[in-house]
Order: sequence, then C-alpha cells, then structure tokens
Amino acid sequence: KNEVEQSPQNLTAQEGEFITINCSYSVGISALHWLQQHPGGGIVSLFMLSSGKKKHGRLIATINIQEKHSSLHITASHPRDSAVYICAVKDTDKLIFGTGTRLQVFP
Amino acid sequence: EPEVTQTPSHQVTQMGQEVILRCVPISNHLYFYWYRQILGQKVEFLVSFYNNEISEKSEIFDDQFSVERPDGSNFTLKIRSTKLEDSAMYFCAMEDREAYEQYFGPGTRLTVT
Repeated sequence: KNEVEQSPQNLTAQEGEFITINCSYSVGISALHWLQQHPGGGIVSLFMLSSGKKKHGRLIATINIQEKHSSLHITASHPRDSAVYICAVKDTDKLIFGTGTRLQVFP
Repeated sequence: EPEVTQTPSHQVTQMGQEVILRCVPISNHLYFYWYRQILGQKVEFLVSFYNNEISEKSEIFDDQFSVERPDGSNFTLKIRSTKLEDSAMYFCAMEDREAYEQYFGPGTRLTVT
C-alpha cells in the first residue's frame, strides 16, 4: 500500500472550472507539501502546511490531520495551471511523495 | 522567490564513472535535500542534510552515494560508480523552516550509458 495516495491521477477541466485534488496519507507527519511540476521537469513548492488552511492567489490548500487528508483547490482554473501536482508528506526529515495528479486545463 | 541553482543541467556519463552534481544554496538556509525522479516515476527522497551532517537517508542512498558541503556554500551529491539505473533527474532543495517554505533547484538530468 502506498503511504501517500493522490486522486485523481488525471484530471481535465475547462478554463474557469474549480479544481480539487486530494491527498491521503497513512503515516504520521510533521508537515505536508503541495508541489507543482511543469512539463520541463522543474518543481515549484506551492504550499507547506501542518494544520488548517493556506491560500495563495487562486490556490488553496487544506489539511485535516485527524483524517490524514489534504486537498488542493484551484479556483478559476486557467490553461497555464496545466501541470502535475504532487503531494508529499514529511516524516521527520524524510519526504514521501505521491505519484502526482496530471491536470490539463483547456481554453 | 529565492533561487536555487544546480549544475550541470545535463550530465551524460558511462557506467562505472563517478559523477558529482552540484547545488548552490540560498544563503542562510541550513536544511538541504536531494531527491531523484526516474523518468515516468514519482519523486523519491534520497537524503537530508543539516548542519554539515546527514540528517536522514533513504534505502536508495547506499554506499555509492555521498553528500557534502565542501566549501561551506556548494552542496554536492556524488555517485561513486554509476549504474544504468542511476539515470534520473536529480533535484536539490533548501528549506527555510522559519518561513515554512521549501525551494527546489531546476534539476540535473543524469544519463548513464
């Protein structure tokens, strides 16, 4: 069983739609990361959170420690949001990564 | 956003050769990480490094791998005798624990032939 599960694996949306990507984990964690990976391979950290909710522009990340679940929301999606979104959980100093959710937003 | 740089961007080497991948960290960041991503697979943790010591390492990080900060600035990952299966994208990252942020380098694509 994977320690970090993401759903869905693939997601397509029309521009303007509200997007939700989910992450469930089975290990105890000190923090959770949401990362964005573009087709060229570069990785950008979007959020690092250990409780509650964080917002940055059109992106919102929430975490429920009791349920071991986090969500990443994108409001008013845009084609430039097309990327792979990766959830990674921090167990001491080790990061455990999910397999990613491939998002494609069409105009 | 602060910039983490990595060199080279692409390295091609023959099996059995040693490679050194370099990362130039953001000043004042004390926590460093190396990750790798084999083509088509998920990102994997290799090692974390704090205060000039390895903090934690994965099963992948065997005796063929080593990390150091040789001159107090650059952060290096050395693979002593490369294998075909070492072909991957290698990312370094820095963590600012006060700001609760992690910054990734652009990656080095290692190809072992």
